[in-house]
Amino acid sequence: GQNIDQPTEMTATEGAIVQINCTYQTSGFNGLFWYQQHAGEAPTFLSYNVLDGLEEKGRFSSFLSRSKGYSYLLLKELQMKDSASYLCAVRDGDYKLSFGAGTTVTVRA
Amino acid sequence: EAQVTQNPRYLITVTGKKLTVTCSQNMNHEYMSWYRQDPGLGLRQIYYSMNVEVTDKGDVPEGYKVSRKEKRNFPLILESPSPNQTSLYFCASSDGTSGTDTQYFGPGTRLTVL
Repeated sequence: GQNIDQPTEMTATEGAIVQINCTYQTSGFNGLFWYQQHAGEAPTFLSYNVLDGLEEKGRFSSFLSRSKGYSYLLLKELQMKDSASYLCAVRDGDYKLSFGAGTTVTVRA
Repeated sequence: EAQVTQNPRYLITVTGKKLTVTCSQNMNHEYMSWYRQDPGLGLRQIYYSMNVEVTDKGDVPEGYKVSRKEKRNFPLILESPSPNQTSLYFCASSDGTSGTDTQYFGPGTRLTVL
């Protein structure tokens, strides 16, 4: 499998911004995904990066630097419903997808 | 409604008693995959299938079998379950043809092996 690292937990205040970092090592990089997973539920797709740069999607943005093996997910204007785990996943070749352990984000009022 | 379904959602069993967890998708997706999720370890891929009759091992295939006789179904078989297979299992599918190739996950199956 791949070596994918992300922080275990983060806490932020409602309305604030939080940045979740993800570093990875892979030989056949073919895209990086971010998923959101609420407790007891299935992961749901948030974003996809395959080229360097920033992808913006409403309050969520994702950045990729392939040369550094680094990505981040930026959550802006945090809401209570954003409290969840955020999973970084790297695709190796055409089919294999490896996930990091996930970052639990807690949003406080 | 486009979806991935898994059955059962919850299962408590005993060591050595063969079981099958079913997975079905109605999106005509070519790619399907099984993951297990354990605290602190995240999602780990067990097996995946690129199309009918084509399967391959993921990162943690030991103790599991799969089959892909039809495009829509991808059952996970535990021939002789052991307590270390107690976990939350997710099935996922994607069309496998586009760059984004978003995976759609089933609701999960929580398995306890006593």
